[in-house]
Amino acid sequence: NAGVTQTPKFQVLKTGQSMTLQCAQDMNHEYMSWYRQDPGMGLRLIHYSVGAGITDQGEVPNGYNVSRSTTEDFPLRLLSAAPSQTSVYFCASSLQRGGQPQHFGDGTRLSIL
Amino acid sequence: RKEVEQDPGPFNVPEGATVAFNCTYSNSASQSFFWYRQDCRKEPKLLMSVYSSGNEDGRFTAQLNRASQYISLLIRDSKLSDSATYLCVVNRGGNQFYFGTGTSLTVIP
Repeated sequence: NAGVTQTPKFQVLKTGQSMTLQCAQDMNHEYMSWYRQDPGMGLRLIHYSVGAGITDQGEVPNGYNVSRSTTEDFPLRLLSAAPSQTSVYFCASSLQRGGQPQHFGDGTRLSIL
Repeated sequence: RKEVEQDPGPFNVPEGATVAFNCTYSNSASQSFFWYRQDCRKEPKLLMSVYSSGNEDGRFTAQLNRASQYISLLIRDSKLSDSATYLCVVNRGGNQFYFGTGTSLTVIP
């Protein structure tokens, strides 16, 4: 039981490049989410999903896309990377929607040059 | 106004000390409350949920004051291994969670 797995752990991109951050969970969790963590800002919700085929925007969705084709996977796509997207990205999941405590992956450190 | 506010610290306390952190939240409709712990360059991990009646887990005690809209975390008999950043997390009952910026604790030998 691996929990929440994120890949890659580190990535450096050039401005304008696109990439996908992968997130997978093997706990059959219904709810999955993506956060970014910046110094002095706390974790901020980017997008979340309450089940396969259902996604919604969080607090800071601009510049990011998500999809949820299976219960297990919830990839985050950066469409055209900008230096302002330099951050640490965490994927999280919980058994059910609506306020259950979340399990986090170990993060992706992303730098945009 | 931020959804969740915490004193960033840092709190530097000797081993064995008792330390308390507070966190305030802005939306009175908030329904679920949590404390997470985050070690340097690691992912947040759930420390404990916070219940209306208050709850305890070993050396850790969490309290909720709905009238004043704050939650607290008390750590007794601090250990070196308690050194971390403690995150206050609030949910309004929907699918969005709001994180505080965290309070840094260093326990000194």
